[in-house]
Amino acid sequence: EAGVVQSPRYKIIEKKQPVAFWCNPISGHNTLYWYRQNLGQGPELLIRYENEEAVDDSQLPKDRFSAERLKGVDSTLKIQPAELGDSAVYLCASSFDRNTEAFFGQGTRLTVV
Amino acid sequence: SQQGEEDPQALSIQEGENATMNCSYKTSINNLQWYRQNSGRGLVHLILIRSNEREKHSGRLRVTLDTSKKSSSLLITASRAADTASYFCATPNRDDKIIFGKGTRLHILP
Repeated sequence: EAGVVQSPRYKIIEKKQPVAFWCNPISGHNTLYWYRQNLGQGPELLIRYENEEAVDDSQLPKDRFSAERLKGVDSTLKIQPAELGDSAVYLCASSFDRNTEAFFGQGTRLTVV
Repeated sequence: SQQGEEDPQALSIQEGENATMNCSYKTSINNLQWYRQNSGRGLVHLILIRSNEREKHSGRLRVTLDTSKKSSSLLITASRAADTASYFCATPNRDDKIIFGKGTRLHILP
């Protein structure tokens, strides 16, 4: 069974440019998460979806970040415009529901220069 | 807000020894999860233990949960070089957010 797939694996952009990350969760998983992980820290939840509904986006900086999960499957996370402080690894995870284990993708390492 | 916190922050042991790391949390939970992250890689789920369970095993891993003390421990027996990684506990907070701690960086010495 394929795991959570994220792309791209790496992205380097100049500040003020837009960037988008894509996530394909495990088939049948209703819950999808986006996390941000800074160096030496644990992952920080940005947004959680139950099917296509964003049920928790309180940690998402809404002035520049947006996310969508069309048809309750794939998801995209966008930053526009990017700032230097957005440099981090962006992780996508999925689970059958919020009470079961989450499986993570390899992440997208974003560097803003 | 911080929910789970791992202890110690870093741990170095000789190959073959056992490694124990702990996680303390603040609010009532219905489950607690442990993850491993190798350098530069994604997180790998290790074990999920539910609030009505006290101990769970998976290969060389043993997880305990003490809900009265709001703490959990992860024991890795007969450590190997490949166990070098960061280990995180993850717990749901009152709003059902899965919150990760800062992790324990485990280094297995040859």
